[in-house]
Amino acid sequence: QSVLTQPPSASGTPGQRVTISCSGSNSNIESNHVHWYQQLPGTAPKLLILADTQRSSGVPDRFSGSKSGTSASLAISGLRSEDEADYYCAAWDDSLSVEVFGTGTKVTVL
Amino acid sequence: EVQLLESGGGLVQPGGSLRLSCAASGFVFSNYAMSWVRQAPGKGLEWLSLISGGGDQSYYAESVKGRFIISRDNSKNTLSLEMTSLRAEDTALYYCAKRSRPAGAYAVDYWGQGALVTVSS
Repeated sequence: QSVLTQPPSASGTPGQRVTISCSGSNSNIESNHVHWYQQLPGTAPKLLILADTQRSSGVPDRFSGSKSGTSASLAISGLRSEDEADYYCAAWDDSLSVEVFGTGTKVTVL
Repeated sequence: EVQLLESGGGLVQPGGSLRLSCAASGFVFSNYAMSWVRQAPGKGLEWLSLISGGGDQSYYAESVKGRFIISRDNSKNTLSLEMTSLRAEDTALYYCAKRSRPAGAYAVDYWGQGALVTVSS
């Protein structure tokens, strides 16, 4: 079950900034770290952001994460064609004792 | 280099059973929690289960609780998922995932390439 809500799609032209939201609750996002994953077409997911704001090794600084209360966001600045992918947030849920993934956002570079 | 290699996927009839394995290499297996995550065709990621590095703690998604069992053999660097009472909705690509800490749902820093499970008569 997805208890983290993301917009189904986002888009921008090359060079633009795109922001993806991830909405949860006080039992998941507000209480625990949020991680972000990028899934390029036909490949396994890849860790982008861990613990709300930390970029994973090798991830360009065009990617940044933030969190406030029960919501988190992933921002992609200087959008590039290779950023076309599905993006997922994830967090542990203390009430359910499960990990929950967001519904996923498909980013399109126009 | 961290490698996670899933095996055991295939076609199974509804109500049947299947065991997935994940051979891990390139890191001290017992030092990290592991998870299984699946992705149905054209759908998003679904977390299934997590097991601590020592194997003493495990957690399950409601959708598979009572049907799936996660286990690990630290002497063989192998993670397993025993799946029973399989349903059509269990059809998915199953990923083995390495967590970045010994316990808890810390970030997944490495993913396998996935094992395809198809449940159909």
